[in-house]
Amino acid sequence: QLQLQESGSGLVKPSQTLSLTCAVSGGSISSGGYSWSWIRQPPGKGLEWIGYIYHSGSTYYNPSLKSRVTISVDRSKNQFSLKLSSVTAADTAVYYCARSRGDYAIDYWGQGTLVTVSS
Amino acid sequence: DIVMTQTPLSSPVTLGQPASISCRSSQSLVHSDGNTYLSWLQQRPGQPPRLLIYKISNRFSGVPDRFSGSGAGTDFTLKISRVEAEDVGVYYCMQATQNPWTFGQGTKVEIK
Repeated sequence: QLQLQESGSGLVKPSQTLSLTCAVSGGSISSGGYSWSWIRQPPGKGLEWIGYIYHSGSTYYNPSLKSRVTISVDRSKNQFSLKLSSVTAADTAVYYCARSRGDYAIDYWGQGTLVTVSS
Repeated sequence: DIVMTQTPLSSPVTLGQPASISCRSSQSLVHSDGNTYLSWLQQRPGQPPRLLIYKISNRFSGVPDRFSGSGAGTDFTLKISRVEAEDVGVYYCMQATQNPWTFGQGTKVEIK
């Protein structure tokens, strides 16, 4: 059974960089046919897709965040990461990592981690 | 970006009765490969989202058959044939036909 677990700082100061990691277990992040996404959900609000990285390393970012986002993969540790720079209070959210299949179904989700942007 | 609009935003339902959620996209979700990448997700209180339906009408592994999806082009529907207590939560449609992937606002299903 595939499992994803987010980790990282739960409190980030405004203008700093948010950094999160998603550890994947029960399967290899290098397996072909999958992409690995970050999705966020502000408290009490809906879902926003941030971007994904393919097993090949190619990435796609939501244009609304593109100038501030970097998603990378560490195959040796079977994990992928999110960096979001120049954060503001509007970036406060639960951040989820997730896997999607070749048919773009997001079939596995992490439990999510709350990141609060505050001084 | 493709805008996904769900109705209703709230759906009070009696246990054992059906529920239906509509999702409309601002443009056709038919991909150039002929597939339509429209999914439905369920988010129970305090939980991450969970995949229910993919490519309009395909139930994900372990999803009860009281959940069904239908539609085409720009109009899609999720139906719950007989609502059970465990179905309480927020339901989202999501399109992955065009980047960026986008979600509907969510529909809250609650028991009357």
